[in-house]
Amino acid sequence: GAVVSQHPSRVICKSGTSVKIECRSLDFQATTMFWYRQFPKQSLMLMATSNEGSKATYEQGVEKDKFLINHASLTLSTLTVTSAHPEDSSFYICSARGQTSSTDTQYFGPGTRLTVL
Amino acid sequence: GQQLNQSPQSMFIQEGEDVSMNCTSSSIFNTWLWYKQDPGEGPVLLIALYKAGELTSNGRLTAQFGITRKDSFLNISASIPSDVGIYFCAGQRNTGNQFYFGTGTSLTVIP
Repeated sequence: GAVVSQHPSRVICKSGTSVKIECRSLDFQATTMFWYRQFPKQSLMLMATSNEGSKATYEQGVEKDKFLINHASLTLSTLTVTSAHPEDSSFYICSARGQTSSTDTQYFGPGTRLTVL
Repeated sequence: GQQLNQSPQSMFIQEGEDVSMNCTSSSIFNTWLWYKQDPGEGPVLLIALYKAGELTSNGRLTAQFGITRKDSFLNISASIPSDVGIYFCAGQRNTGNQFYFGTGTSLTVIP
């Protein structure tokens, strides 16, 4: 299946700093990538949809100035958590859309564990 | 956003037993996906279904796209300890639209 990588896998940062997470589709071009947040023992919560070359679409309740998304190429999307606070600590997962004329699938990255001290 | 109803929420079974879980929606979907997530990892795609009534297997796993297009089922035969994890379903109304995810089924296999 398609491969999506995410970097870093874990990051610990001080409160007030910014953290950038990269998501790459390694063997296919992804015009659309998604960013999710997952709390322990809960399902995936969609934060935003990232389209190559255009502004991201954020879900209701997600602060776009807090979670900056850039999708500069067909294989790379980045999520920057700005001025991170302890409540931003979570598991962040990206996914990339693999779409043909008749099928549509999402492939997930391995996730990034963010801990804000 | 919409979430799909997935049941059961958790399962504790003996190694070797078969497992069944399902996902239901109030809306019609044209695509159903099933994922498995291990602790601390991202979900891994197990099976993709694109046609009502479709039955697809992946090793010991079999998934079905419900005839009504409002549900899907995942079966695991002869469970083994490495089947432990959380299984998520995802549904999509039309190609290019958002995928909606189920609440997950946590599977524990007792050796």
